[in-house]
Amino acid sequence: NAGVTQTPKFQVLKTGQSMTLQCAQDMNHEYMSWYRQDPGMGLRLIHYSVGAGITDQGEVPNGYNVSRSTTEDFPLRLLSAAPSQTSVYFCASSMNRQDNYGYTFGSGTRLTVV
Amino acid sequence: KQEVTQIPAALSVPEGENLVLNCSFTDSAIYNLQWFRQDPGKGLTSLLLIQSSQREQTSGRLNASLDKSSGRSTLYIAASQPGDSATYLCAVQGGKLIFGQGTELSVKP
Repeated sequence: NAGVTQTPKFQVLKTGQSMTLQCAQDMNHEYMSWYRQDPGMGLRLIHYSVGAGITDQGEVPNGYNVSRSTTEDFPLRLLSAAPSQTSVYFCASSMNRQDNYGYTFGSGTRLTVV
Repeated sequence: KQEVTQIPAALSVPEGENLVLNCSFTDSAIYNLQWFRQDPGKGLTSLLLIQSSQREQTSGRLNASLDKSSGRSTLYIAASQPGDSATYLCAVQGGKLIFGQGTELSVKP
């Protein structure tokens, strides 16, 4: 089915480890973004991309890197995991930044840093 | 800076009631507003999208309205069912998609 695919669904990391959360979409969407969801904080934007080769910071970018080498993929890298990065991470895509068709979200990655 | 507020934070109603969820935003310069549903431990499911030029959208028992000038949107759920129990999130798109904190709805049989 067309949509946004996130892997893995669950991950446990030790403090200081690095990892990459994968996000792929097959809808030829230009705009992709990463959010984290924490109790009491809602969904907060980490990084976003308006097209291949273009990325920018959101509200809470520290500790995360992104790249957009293709239209389909938008991986999120944790450089040195910290317990404060324990969260549920969602990837989303839309046709473009102004989007008149709405956003499509992946099913999320639940990350625990111990 | 755009801020989105949803009231109430939680709502419990008996089955069959009609109900209204509220969303307000501080910056009226938006492209559209989207309502999502999130079940516990799950992702976000899009319910309705209202373009900035529209006043309302309907899907089945759901009706969403948008008043840009006052910075408000409402989600009306008719004849609520236990299966409607979930957290409902509104989000405004004005270059970035900014979310409210959500309303946790519980519909009791």
